[in-house]
Amino acid sequence: AQKITQTQPGMFVQEKEAVTLDCTYDTSDQSYGLFWYKQPSSGEMIFLIYQGSYDEQNATEGRYSLNFQKARKSANLVISASQLGDSAMYFCAMREGPYNFNKFYFGSGTKLNVKP
Amino acid sequence: SQTIHQWPATLVQPVGSPLSLECTVEGTSNPNLYWYRQAAGRGLQLLFYSVGIGQISSEVPQNLSASRPQDRQFILSSKKLLLSDSGFYLCAWSTPDSSYEQYFGPGTRLTVT
Repeated sequence: AQKITQTQPGMFVQEKEAVTLDCTYDTSDQSYGLFWYKQPSSGEMIFLIYQGSYDEQNATEGRYSLNFQKARKSANLVISASQLGDSAMYFCAMREGPYNFNKFYFGSGTKLNVKP
Repeated sequence: SQTIHQWPATLVQPVGSPLSLECTVEGTSNPNLYWYRQAAGRGLQLLFYSVGIGQISSEVPQNLSASRPQDRQFILSSKKLLLSDSGFYLCAWSTPDSSYEQYFGPGTRLTVT
């Protein structure tokens, strides 16, 4: 089974609107971390937001928030007030632990296009 | 602060030629190091990771190998490149004992002709 599933290969959103990018994960560990990265056309991987499995509050970083639903094993990224510069690939990732924090699992990504 | 370097930034190599991509990390010690490959428009495929000098874990059987001759140096190699080795290669590092994020290098775009 895949560790990280992103079911939206591509999405469009109107500038200034909010958008949700879906991510579900599969783990039997109690301790794990969930991440979102942004990859613009330049190729660099930019870390956006982190959620620990024991964090009770949803993580927020500026316009980014992570909608963490542990029972459903979902970690959706919400981008509020979309900007043209948000157009990029977005990857969800997971790191399992606590005894083997060595491997990261990435989803296949969602390509977001922000329309003016 | 920590920084991660990769070189070269771009590379065009003929089929059958050797390959050596280098990654170095500054500002941290005993990091976990990773090599990923990304085909055009696709996700990241983990190729190798290392938890220490000389310790390499291979995730996918392939035409590539990795080495870690120094604590903060990670090298990706091939003796004979295949067309299917083309892609975007990313090096990354993370702390070994926590659940925090990976930090990525700028990547190397490899085209095998």
